[in-house]
Amino acid sequence: GAGVSQSPSNKVTEKGKDVELRCDPISGHTALYWYRQSLGQGLEFLIYFQGNSAPDKSGLPSDRFSAERTGGSVSTLTIQRTQQEDSAVYLCASSNRGSGTQYFGPGTRLLVL
Amino acid sequence: GQQLNQSPQSMFIQEGEDVSMNCTSSSIFNTWLWYKQDPGEGPVLLIALYKAGELTSNGRLTAQFGITRKDSFLNISASIPSDVGIYFCAGPMNRDDKIIFGKGTRLHILP
Repeated sequence: GAGVSQSPSNKVTEKGKDVELRCDPISGHTALYWYRQSLGQGLEFLIYFQGNSAPDKSGLPSDRFSAERTGGSVSTLTIQRTQQEDSAVYLCASSNRGSGTQYFGPGTRLLVL
Repeated sequence: GQQLNQSPQSMFIQEGEDVSMNCTSSSIFNTWLWYKQDPGEGPVLLIALYKAGELTSNGRLTAQFGITRKDSFLNISASIPSDVGIYFCAGPMNRDDKIIFGKGTRLHILP
């Protein structure tokens, strides 16, 4: 498709389990962002990839969170040993270098029981 | 880190009213972006502003890039029920910088 896609759309897991969330950005976009959004709240920045530069991981809340971007395209956000407070919508966005605008995916709704 | 301050945090209005919200920063921005997020969806770009003083419209929406480069305004005229949602301002300080977001203005329309 032409837009940013994310999978799964919903994920229910048990506390302590690991989860992987996937983002497929718009083809050719060099920048990719992950955000977390709790119900009714704003966007919490997690991590930013720009081309071949080292990612900006300054928003990751703990060392249980990690992300990688393979081949400058698809990205995976991994949460290890999930906690109930990790429950949120995880949004991915991509943009083209220099455009200054982002396109968001529909998000993955994570529920940790 | 850099912050964008949005106000008001929430608005409760009657259908048909005009709406005004703003975003300020202590730092200069070279691009201002306004996004809208519908419930259960990802944010969607409404308007992008690239020049100080620029005034841009998109239907009933009008946004302005402040002359000081430290603020931006979004106005919605004659609000309708589908305007409900969260409005975010955002921007990179420079064109290739990471985009940062304000905390959003939540628009509610009273029945």
